[in-house]
Amino acid sequence: QKEVEQNSGPLSVPEGAIASLNCTYSDRGSQSFFWYRQYSGKSPELIMFIYSNGDKEDGRFTAQLNKASQYVSLLIRDSQPSDSATYLCAAITGGGNKLTFGTGTQLKVEL
Amino acid sequence: DAGVIQSPRHEVTEMGQEVTLRCKPISGHNSLFWYRQTMMRGLELLIYFNNNVPIDDSGMPEDRFSAKMPNASFSTLKIQPSEPRDSAVYFCASSSRAGAQIRDTQYFGPGTRLTVL
Repeated sequence: QKEVEQNSGPLSVPEGAIASLNCTYSDRGSQSFFWYRQYSGKSPELIMFIYSNGDKEDGRFTAQLNKASQYVSLLIRDSQPSDSATYLCAAITGGGNKLTFGTGTQLKVEL
Repeated sequence: DAGVIQSPRHEVTEMGQEVTLRCKPISGHNSLFWYRQTMMRGLELLIYFNNNVPIDDSGMPEDRFSAKMPNASFSTLKIQPSEPRDSAVYFCASSSRAGAQIRDTQYFGPGTRLTVL
């Protein structure tokens, strides 16, 4: 079992819809979780981080964390074509500051 | 504020040659990470340093790979000898474990695209 798992997609949503990206993790000791966005040919850039159970909102983005279910999600409201990218979920694992990434979910927002 | 700086941005070399990739982390960050990204394997952590000391090199694929961090503002990743299967994008990232910055958030450099012929 991979430490951080994501569906590779592609996930296609129409413009203006809500995109829901999901991630599960295996290390129960993980406390910090991150969502990165990566455009083709570019480096990953941080969108959001979440440490506590529940929801965290930042503009059109909402991160959700459920530690009991070992589940993290990212919701993108009012999806735009510019949101089309690969979204990487990551978790601090192993008790240190090592960040383990999922393989990413490709999101396509269609006009 | 300068981000993570990597050089070169592109490197094309022939099998058997030595390749050296360079990274300058964000000033004040005390952790540095080297990743490799391929279509098949995604983003893989190769090695990371805390306060210039290597902490975990379990991701380094074999002895052909080595990394150093002689001071807080510079790190190198060396491949000797290089092989075609080393072709990938190599990213350097840095983070801080203290201060006002977001704890443990890693900031990535632009990457070095390596092609070994």
